[in-house]
Amino acid sequence: GAGVSQSPSNKVTEKGKDVELRCDPISGHTALYWYRQSLGQGLEFLIYFQGNSAPDKSGLPSDRFSAERTGGSVSTLTIQRTQQEDSAVYLCASSPYSGDNQPQHFGDGTRLSIL
Amino acid sequence: GQQVMQIPQYQHVQEGEDFTTYCNSSTTLSNIQWYKQRPGGHPVFLIQLVKSGEVKKQKRLTFQFGEAKKNSSLHITATQTTDVGTYFCAGQPGAGNMLTFGGGTRLMVKP
Repeated sequence: GAGVSQSPSNKVTEKGKDVELRCDPISGHTALYWYRQSLGQGLEFLIYFQGNSAPDKSGLPSDRFSAERTGGSVSTLTIQRTQQEDSAVYLCASSPYSGDNQPQHFGDGTRLSIL
Repeated sequence: GQQVMQIPQYQHVQEGEDFTTYCNSSTTLSNIQWYKQRPGGHPVFLIQLVKSGEVKKQKRLTFQFGEAKKNSSLHITATQTTDVGTYFCAGQPGAGNMLTFGGGTRLMVKP
């Protein structure tokens, strides 16, 4: 597609359930990033991929969060045993590669609400 | 770790007034990027500054990178209601390092 695509756009689930968020980056972009944005707040870095490997997982808030990327394209962010504090907008971004001076192109995000 | 701070956190202006947001990094940066996020939207890349003391303009927007490459500013002349949104700076210490986003400045413009 022309831009970064994320699905679902909205997800409402009960506390304790697992959720899976999907990101389809711009074709040809090898670097992919996940961020979390709480209401009215800044961007909290979660994880990034260069190809299929994740050199930096330092931002994952807990071991309930995991992410994978296969085929150097689509990535999924999984949150297990969701908690109410996980409610936020999860943004994905991609760039041609993870080197210097690469602007990031963001998707519209997944708005996650934990009841 | 690297920290990027932005001030102010919020700014209300009357349409036609000027607006400035400031970005400060705890470490020297190789480049700084600016993004705009409209209400309900996602961040959109505006510009990148690389050189010490660099100044770039986009219509009514002026971006500056400090001589020490640790701070930057975005100035909007004669704001319009279309300028409403949150402006984020994002700094990169060097090649292969992650972008660190500032907390953003939310601009509100009264018509």
